[in-house]
Amino acid sequence: RKEVEQDPGPFNVPEGATVAFNCTYSNSASQSFFWYRQDCRKEPKLLMSVYSSGNEDGRFTAQLNRASQYISLLIRDSKLSDSATYLCVVNMLAGGFKTIFGAGTRLFVKA
Amino acid sequence: DAGVIQSPRHEVTEMGQEVTLRCKPISGHDYLFWYRQTMMRGLELLIYFNNNVPIDDSGMPEDRFSAKMPNASFSTLKIQPSEPRDSAVYFCASSLGSTGNNQPQHFGDGTRLSIL
Repeated sequence: RKEVEQDPGPFNVPEGATVAFNCTYSNSASQSFFWYRQDCRKEPKLLMSVYSSGNEDGRFTAQLNRASQYISLLIRDSKLSDSATYLCVVNMLAGGFKTIFGAGTRLFVKA
Repeated sequence: DAGVIQSPRHEVTEMGQEVTLRCKPISGHDYLFWYRQTMMRGLELLIYFNNNVPIDDSGMPEDRFSAKMPNASFSTLKIQPSEPRDSAVYFCASSLGSTGNNQPQHFGDGTRLSIL
């Protein structure tokens, strides 16, 4: 089992749709969590950190469920510019610092 | 503020040649990471440094790969000799503080490496 697993995608949605991504992690020692966005042939860029109480940034909402060991990203009113790959990132202390990136979920938003 | 700066942006070379990738982290950041990204394997952590000291190099594929960080503002990733299977995008990232502080990593633009 992979340490961080994401919905395989791709997700194809129309503009204005709401789309949700899930990510599960296997190590309970995981400490911090992030969602990154990566455009084609570009570097990953931080979209948002994920806090225990859940957090929102405009159209984006991130949630963490430590008991079930998953995080989620909700995008409301999706735009064409939201088309990208979304990477789930988990930092953990397991015999030292460790960062694990999920394989990413590709999102296509259509007009 | 300047972000993470990598050079070169693109590198095309023949197998067997030495390749050196360079990275300047964000000023003040004490963690530096080297990643490799391919379609098949996704984003893989190769090695990371804390305060210029290599902490975990378990992701380095083999002895042909080496990384150094002689000072807080510069790091290199070297491949010698290079092989076609090393072709990938190599990213450098830096962050401030430890994971316990919930600090994200900031990535450079990457070096697109092609070994012929």
